Amino acid sequence: LAKTTQPISMDSYEGQEVNITCSHNNIATNDYITWYQQFPSQGPRFIIQGYKTKVTNEVASLFIPADRKSSTLSLPRVSLSDTAVYYCLVGPAVDSSYKLIFGSGTRLLVRP
Amino acid sequence: EPEVTQTPSHQVTQMGQEVILRCVPISNHLYFYWYRQILGQKVEFLVSFYNNEISEKSEIFDDQFSVERPDGSNFTLKIRSTKLEDSAMYFCASDGLKETQYFGPGTRLLVL
Repeated sequence: LAKTTQPISMDSYEGQEVNITCSHNNIATNDYITWYQQFPSQGPRFIIQGYKTKVTNEVASLFIPADRKSSTLSLPRVSLSDTAVYYCLVGPAVDSSYKLIFGSGTRLLVRP
Repeated sequence: EPEVTQTPSHQVTQMGQEVILRCVPISNHLYFYWYRQILGQKVEFLVSFYNNEISEKSEIFDDQFSVERPDGSNFTLKIRSTKLEDSAMYFCASDGLKETQYFGPGTRLLVL
């Protein structure tokens, strides 16, 4: 499984856009990039998943450059409730079962 | 939106006692997982389960641990003789292929 590197923590203010970048230099051809969010004392929650280019849903956007060695999770106009730990995971194709390997994640603090 | 449920939400037990943590995965899902998270640490994979047998297990999942799907809906994790270091949040997850994993809210286990 490809190793990922992301910032330990980030601070932001309400209403700002937050971009969290993840490096995954050893990503394999059949790997997808998935981001999870975790609030204290809760289970991780799926945010978004992509393979290449850009993916957008109602919560976030995921930007993946052509070489796929990094990806950026973009949270538009964050609110206090977006304070959480965000995990970038890289793993096999979405149609195969696999264990998720979580790193330390990025602890995002949104201030008023 | 369908969700994974877990019971109990909290469990306190004495060292050496057996505990059973219960999970009800999303109904049409086929793959089931247990993860744990020791306070302040990463989410760690324990075991995956498919077609009534273990698909993969981690080094943490030793002989003290077992999993079972006793009926069509429940998925259980048993710890035969708990140790202090088993204190953690235990998360159940499920996926139905073609999707990512959905996590339950967790069971906080405290071993005294």
